[in-house]
Amino acid sequence: QKEVEQNSGPLSVPEGAIASLNCTYSDRVSQSFFWYRQYSGKSPELIMSIYSNGDKEDGRFTAQLNKASQYVSLLIRDSQPSDSATYLCAVNKAGRRALTFGSGTRLQVQP
Amino acid sequence: SAVISQKPSRDICQRGTSLTIQCQVDSQVTMMFWYRQQPGQSLTLIATANQGSEATYESGFVIDKFPISRPNLTFSTLTVSNMSPEDSSIYLCSVDKRMASTDTQYFGPGTRLTVL
Repeated sequence: QKEVEQNSGPLSVPEGAIASLNCTYSDRVSQSFFWYRQYSGKSPELIMSIYSNGDKEDGRFTAQLNKASQYVSLLIRDSQPSDSATYLCAVNKAGRRALTFGSGTRLQVQP
Repeated sequence: SAVISQKPSRDICQRGTSLTIQCQVDSQVTMMFWYRQQPGQSLTLIATANQGSEATYESGFVIDKFPISRPNLTFSTLTVSNMSPEDSSIYLCSVDKRMASTDTQYFGPGTRLTVL
């Protein structure tokens, strides 16, 4: 079992719709959770971080964390073609500063 | 956030040679990390570099192949030694910054390496 799992996609949504990206992790001691966006040929860019159960909203982005289910998600409202990218879920374990990444979900927003 | 630069941005190298990648940060940071992203894959941690101590390597990565220097709190280098085509990847450095009481990692622009 991979430590961090994501559906590789592509996830295709029409412009203006809500895109829902999901991630599960295997290690219960994981403490911090991050979503990065990576455009083709570019380095990862931090979108959201979340540390506590529940929802965290930032503009069009909402991160959701459920530690009991070991599940973290990212919702993108009013999706735009510029949101088309690969979204990487990353997890930070207790006592360890380095991140473990999922394989990423490719999102395509259709105009 | 943090402003991170890497040199070179890309290179094409011959099998058996070595390449040193530089990473410069605009502020002092305790920890720097080196990741590899092979074509179509996600990021894999190579090693963690602390200033003044030996780098800590992840399983599958060894110092002889990927020597790392960390001479001060704003700079690190990663050398890819005795390269083979399997080393063709993007190499990324990242830093850990404390923002609003939480630790967050920021990435440099990456070095795209092609080994022929």
